[in-house]
Amino acid sequence: AQKVTQAQTEISVVEKEDVTLDCVYETRDTTYYLFWYKQPPSGELVFLIRRNSFDEQNEISGRYSWNFQKSTSSFNFTITASQVVDSAVYFCALFENSGNTPLVFGKGTRLSVIA
Amino acid sequence: SAVISQKPSRDICQRGTSLTIQCQVDSQVTMMFWYRQQPGQSLTLIATANQGSEATYESGFVIDKFPISRPNLTFSTLTVSNMSPEDSSIYLCSAGGRSSYEQYFGPGTRLTVT
Repeated sequence: AQKVTQAQTEISVVEKEDVTLDCVYETRDTTYYLFWYKQPPSGELVFLIRRNSFDEQNEISGRYSWNFQKSTSSFNFTITASQVVDSAVYFCALFENSGNTPLVFGKGTRLSVIA
Repeated sequence: SAVISQKPSRDICQRGTSLTIQCQVDSQVTMMFWYRQQPGQSLTLIATANQGSEATYESGFVIDKFPISRPNLTFSTLTVSNMSPEDSSIYLCSAGGRSSYEQYFGPGTRLTVT
C-alpha cells in the first residue's frame, strides 16, 4: 500500500539558516508522482513541486531545492537562507498512476523560522 | 491549471446543525475530491465526488454524515450533518486536472462547531 512518512513533526530554525525537510515514501507502482505542498497559517494549500518516478534529476528553484532518490525512496526538500515567510506546514504527497486514487499525504512538518 | 473557489471560507456553527460547503471550479474536471484536515493533522480524504452518480466514500466516512452532490463537471457540495465539536476542521475541495496526476486545491473552509 502507498504510504508517505515525514518523520520530522516540527522544525525550528533561525532566519538565514538552511533547512531540509525529509520525506520517505512507499509504493509498489513503477510510475508515480511525488509532490510538496506548503500550507501557511491562512490554511490554503500551495503547490510547490511535482516529480515523476522516471525523473531523478534534482531541481533548484530560487531558494528551494529538491533531492529525489529512488534508491532510498526519498524526496527531500531544502530551503536555503530561510525567511520568516517560510514558516508553514509542509506536506509531502504521493500519487500512484495505476489506481486512479487521489493523493496520499504525509503528516506534515511544521517549520518555524525565527527572526 | 484549475482555479477553485469555496464558500463559505469559514463558519462557526452550533452542535446539531448542518452546513453545506460549495466548491466551484473554473473549468470542467472529471475528478473532484473532498478532504478533511482536523486541527494539527494531515489531510484525510473523505470522498471522491463523481459527476452523475453517488460519491465514493473512504473508510470511516458515510453518506448520511457527509452527503455530497456533483450536479455537473464544475461544481460540488459537501454537507456536514448533525455537527459535533469533533467536526471542527478545515474542509478542502480539490479537482483533478487534464492529467490524472494533476490535483488542485481550493482555499478551504474553516469550520468551528460549538
